[in-house]
Amino acid sequence: QQPVQSPQAVILREGEDAVINCSSSKALYSVHWYRQKHGEAPVFLMILLKGGEQKGHEKISASFNEKKQQSSLYLTASQLSYSGTYFCGTVPRNYGGSQGNLIFGKGTKLSVKP
Amino acid sequence: DAGITQSPRHKVTETGTPVTLRCHQTENHRYMYWYRQDPGHGLRLIHYSYGVKDTDKGEVSDGYSVSRSKTEDFLLTLESATSSQTSVYFCAASGGLAAREQPQHFGDGTRLSIL
Repeated sequence: QQPVQSPQAVILREGEDAVINCSSSKALYSVHWYRQKHGEAPVFLMILLKGGEQKGHEKISASFNEKKQQSSLYLTASQLSYSGTYFCGTVPRNYGGSQGNLIFGKGTKLSVKP
Repeated sequence: DAGITQSPRHKVTETGTPVTLRCHQTENHRYMYWYRQDPGHGLRLIHYSYGVKDTDKGEVSDGYSVSRSKTEDFLLTLESATSSQTSVYFCAASGGLAAREQPQHFGDGTRLSIL
């Protein structure tokens, strides 16, 4: 039930682009993305609610393919500050009620080098 | 972040002792969550609350209990701590009518070591 993130880790040079994928075996209602720096709390990036929806946050954007039960996070022209571990959290479509409990993936560690 | 405070921030205790972690929020969020984070597992939900005195189990609830007597406070208790409960614990909160459409705001975490 836990979504699968790929890759597990990626190393970039400043200015390079990266894509992080999140794939679920279940139909999804929403996908949430968070970034966590070492020793800190996870920080919310964005939520995708509808199939095909794309959202942007600075140079970080994401898409949600409802049919494929997948979401991708795009980081363009990476900066040193983008380093951290990125987590997707999924809410299954058949979830009862509105509690909206997230099921998190294991994370993708992104390292941006000068 | 978003007025969520966890206490203590660090704790070392012995196997078999009771432990209570506190989460306090100032934003009047309806939903509150306790997660544990372990290497290779990501964030796993222990218990959650959808209102005062309304709580339910998450994915890894065995050995844990929670209480929420006020909107702003959510307590996590390990009745008899075991070494397998050594972890980093995060509290989170979210508002709105449909938590599945709202961002979760996390506290800074509690690093708990059980010897």
